[in-house]
Amino acid sequence: DAGITQSPRYKITETGRQVTLMCHQTWSHSYMFWYRQDLGHGLRLIYYSAAADITDKGEVPDGYVVSRSKTENFPLTLESATRSQTSVYFCASSTGGTNEKLFFGSGTQLSVL
Amino acid sequence: GDSVTQMEGPVTLSEEAFLTINCTYTATGYPSLFWYVQYPGEGLQLLLKATKADDKGSNKGFEATYRKETTSFHLEKGSVQVSDSAVYFCALSGYSGAGSYQLTFGKGTKLSVIP
Repeated sequence: DAGITQSPRYKITETGRQVTLMCHQTWSHSYMFWYRQDLGHGLRLIYYSAAADITDKGEVPDGYVVSRSKTENFPLTLESATRSQTSVYFCASSTGGTNEKLFFGSGTQLSVL
Repeated sequence: GDSVTQMEGPVTLSEEAFLTINCTYTATGYPSLFWYVQYPGEGLQLLLKATKADDKGSNKGFEATYRKETTSFHLEKGSVQVSDSAVYFCALSGYSGAGSYQLTFGKGTKLSVIP
């Protein structure tokens, strides 16, 4: 039971570089989400996807790009990393519906120098 | 839009003390309400949930009651343990304008329990 996995676990990069964070789930959940966690802000939604090839912006989408060509994968790309994107990033998945819980990955700690 | 407000932390309690973490929400319609817990170095995991007014969610000695009249979902535990030290997030789930749903989180409350 692999569940939901994120990679890498830790990443250090420089400003202006492109970075891709990976997220893979084995349950065939239709919904997937990307959140960032910052002190004083809690979790904020970056992007989400209701199904393959369907994505939508969350609260803080600027500077990020997502794709979902397959149900099980939902990569998050920082096209040109900035210091303000230093954060812990969490991927989550769900079967969908307001009563259903989210399953979270272990997170990627990203530092942009 | 939807929002969740929970009490500021950190909260430090002695073992066996009573815990309350306040949570209030603003939402249209009839959201479901959740408490998630995050242990150090891990992702969030569901602690409990309630899907309609007056429902009580419970798990591992924690309880929360969905109060529509006060738009609240306060988390309580009668006797905390050191192992309860974690960050607790209140959240609500509701439908966005596009017809899909989103989970909105509070900022989190860090709980430290000392022996």
